[in-house]
Amino acid sequence: RKEVEQDPGPFNVPEGATVAFNCTYSNSASQSFFWYRQDCRKEPKLLMSVYSSGNEDGRFTAQLNRASQYISLLIRDSKLSDSATYLCVVYGGATNKLIFGTGTLLAVQP
Amino acid sequence: GAVVSQHPSRVICKSGTSVKIECRSLDFQATTMFWYRQFPKKSLMLMATSNEGSKATYEQGVEKDKFLINHASLTLSTLTVTSAHPEDSSFYICSATESPGYGYTFGSGTRLTVV
Repeated sequence: RKEVEQDPGPFNVPEGATVAFNCTYSNSASQSFFWYRQDCRKEPKLLMSVYSSGNEDGRFTAQLNRASQYISLLIRDSKLSDSATYLCVVYGGATNKLIFGTGTLLAVQP
Repeated sequence: GAVVSQHPSRVICKSGTSVKIECRSLDFQATTMFWYRQFPKKSLMLMATSNEGSKATYEQGVEKDKFLINHASLTLSTLTVTSAHPEDSSFYICSATESPGYGYTFGSGTRLTVV
């Protein structure tokens, strides 16, 4: 089983749609959780950290369920500029490593 | 915000030559730096973790003699791909943090093509 699993997509959605990405992780001792965005042939950029209480940043909402070892990202009112690969990233605690999911490709259509 | 500069952004080299990639933290001290490689349409794969002043820790399957990592200061880490082969062609990305678990900043990546 992969340490961090995501649906690779692609998710093709129209502008204005709401889209949700899910991610599961296998290490129950993981301490920190992030969503990164990666544009084609570019480096990953931090979209938002994920907190146990859930957190929101504009159109983006992240949720963490430690009991189920599950992380989600909700994007409301999708924009064309949201088209990218979204990476679920987990910090492994004692291992001092960032573990990346394979990413979910989002394509927002006009 | 934290900035990590990575150079070169693109390099083409001949088989058998060595290539050095630099990763610098510009406005913070990076106690830990990470080196990743990414193949097309694949996720980032951690190659090694380097801590300033000590030997790098390599992931299983990564040849330490082929991928030489030096982290001589709190602001600079280098990755040298020695005796490069076409299969080493990939996108190499560094990441740096001042405090593991909190805030990782990525370099802009180096696209290596070995011909």
